[in-house]
Amino acid sequence: DGGITQSPKYLFRKEGQNVTLSCEQNLNHDAMYWYRQDPGQGLRLIYYSQIVNDFQKGDIAEGYSVSREKKESFPLTVTSAQKNPTAFYLCASSIEDRGYSPLHFGNGTRLTVT
Amino acid sequence: QKEVEQNSGPLSVPEGAIASLNCTYSDRGSQSFFWYRQYSGKSPELIMFIYSNGDKEDGRFTAQLNKASQYVSLLIRDSQPSDSATYLCAVTRVEDKIIFGKGTRLHILP
Repeated sequence: DGGITQSPKYLFRKEGQNVTLSCEQNLNHDAMYWYRQDPGQGLRLIYYSQIVNDFQKGDIAEGYSVSREKKESFPLTVTSAQKNPTAFYLCASSIEDRGYSPLHFGNGTRLTVT
Repeated sequence: QKEVEQNSGPLSVPEGAIASLNCTYSDRGSQSFFWYRQYSGKSPELIMFIYSNGDKEDGRFTAQLNKASQYVSLLIRDSQPSDSATYLCAVTRVEDKIIFGKGTRLHILP
């Protein structure tokens, strides 16, 4: 079955450590996105990528980094510079990055930093 | 002004009644509008999308768009307990990025 796989489902880290969240899709989608969701909040865009080896900052990119070396993969690194990293992280993809295509989401990674 | 606004709720609706969820947006150039359903602890799933003014129906769901008023709504007919969830409104900005409202919590009363 085609879909988006995020791993791990739960992740715990100590403050000051970098951590990388995995996102893999086999939908052959060009565009991939990372969103962050805090309790009672909507989704906020961190980074997005339209093609391999290219990505753009979203609304809250500070303290995060990404790479897009393969079409299928878009890992997100939460660095120690991110002041409030504890959140629910959602990876998504779409057929094309023109805004008309709906997003398909992975199951999310819940990150807790203490 | 927030880009996409929704009443946070909770909105309580008796089982079998019509649930009406509303969303307003600030960017008059927005072109695409989406409704996602999110169960607690889960990721969002697409319910409806609409691009043109008017109504779009899919089963028990109807999306309504009024670009002049910058307003989009979702109607759920014959509400079921399984419809209890948070409903996220999403809008495409002029630069083609999809942004989300904070969501409306819907509670269907058995």
